[in-house]
Amino acid sequence: GNSVTQMEGPVTLSEEAFLTINCTYTATGYPSLFWYVQYPGEGLQLLLKATKADDKGSNKGFEATYRKETTSFHLEKGSVQVSDSAVYFCALSDRDTGNQFYFGTGTSLTVIP
Amino acid sequence: DAGVIQSPRHEVTEMGQEVTLRCKPISGHNSLFWYRQTMMRGLELLIYFNNNVPIDDSGMPEDRFSAKMPNASFSTLKIQPSEPRDSAVYFCASSPGLGRTNEQYFGPGTRLTVT
Repeated sequence: GNSVTQMEGPVTLSEEAFLTINCTYTATGYPSLFWYVQYPGEGLQLLLKATKADDKGSNKGFEATYRKETTSFHLEKGSVQVSDSAVYFCALSDRDTGNQFYFGTGTSLTVIP
Repeated sequence: DAGVIQSPRHEVTEMGQEVTLRCKPISGHNSLFWYRQTMMRGLELLIYFNNNVPIDDSGMPEDRFSAKMPNASFSTLKIQPSEPRDSAVYFCASSPGLGRTNEQYFGPGTRLTVT
């Protein structure tokens, strides 16, 4: 079946630190992969996506590369800011299962000044 | 673009009462999803529609929950009767379609509290 596994949180970093949030997946077909971000009291917003192997999604300084050989889509940012404090969700969409989304459990990030 | 619109943003009701949550998807989007988010269970897909037709309702917790999409611009999620364990944030999301590469756009959510 389809599933997404994210690293457990919460994660606390100092401003300007390097961020990595691990995400691995299992899929029956050839999925598209997504990272969403949820700020307090808001809905989820798309952060970036990748639709085929070796694609790199990027947005607002965040990057993630679709690694089919390791079934991973790790989120990285070189220098985090206080405003990046949020919950981050990894997700996949797979045609074999009607393209519904499968979300990870979310990783809470707090960036301290 | 107005984005996905949900109402009400907050709902407080007593156990046993009927609750109706509303969603207006982004114009032109053909797919609509209802999710529930709690601390214990995370984000759960309840039901989704494509071209106003329910495709998969296997996530609906029990018969007390029902969802409709009478037209392309409106959907409701109803709980009758409500119970305290239904307290959660309910999100509606829409998508241009069920294509593999299509992202979902989320509304701001309805925070439901059942006392």
